[in-house]
Amino acid sequence: QVQLVQSGAEVKKPGASVKVSCKASGYTFFAYYLVWVRQAPGHGLEWLGKINPSGGSTIYGQKFQGRISMTRDTSTSTVYMELSSLRSDDTAVYYCARGDTLMGIDYFDVWGQGTLVSVSS
Amino acid sequence: DIQMTQSPSSLSASVGGRVTITCRASEPINNYLNWYQQKPGKAPELLIYAASSLQIGVPSRFSGSGSGTDFSLTISSLRPEDFATYYCQQTYSADPYTFGQGTTLDMK
Repeated sequence: QVQLVQSGAEVKKPGASVKVSCKASGYTFFAYYLVWVRQAPGHGLEWLGKINPSGGSTIYGQKFQGRISMTRDTSTSTVYMELSSLRSDDTAVYYCARGDTLMGIDYFDVWGQGTLVSVSS
Repeated sequence: DIQMTQSPSSLSASVGGRVTITCRASEPINNYLNWYQQKPGKAPELLIYAASSLQIGVPSRFSGSGSGTDFSLTISSLRPEDFATYYCQQTYSADPYTFGQGTTLDMK
């Protein structure tokens, strides 16, 4: 079945970096883009950016420009999201999701289980 | 950024009842509007895309409508598993794609 499996929880100190992985299976990896969305405790959903596994092109949210990087490993059908210069307000559950497009309308139809990133001194 | 405002923020309803959640965009977004359901401790799940298209596997008691700036999600004949938080999302403007603040539906 189609699934996205993410890496485990992380605890980081302020100023550090974190790299979260998302392994895709059950579908053609190159046929869909992947996005990252985060959710701070008790809060709503925030889009971070997207990566096209076919070619590796990325679009990052302006809010995260300069401290976010998304990459992919085509040999393992895995995408990575690295966030640097971590602050306490980066504490959140980070989700990867598969993106699809219908008549130009994007939507996220399969989600990973989420990875809790805690930032604390 | 396009702001998405949901109302109400929370509501209570009974099993078998009918509820409608609304979502308003700060500028016209055509029908570039999706709805997600999220249960505690779980990832969101896609319910409706393109304002009114039901995702495969989603029960027909869920329906969506709207275009431009005003949208709604209706759940008819509520079942116990429908009590969750619902989010709308616009994908008209890609940076960033924005979500509503969420509507929590709980059991009366």
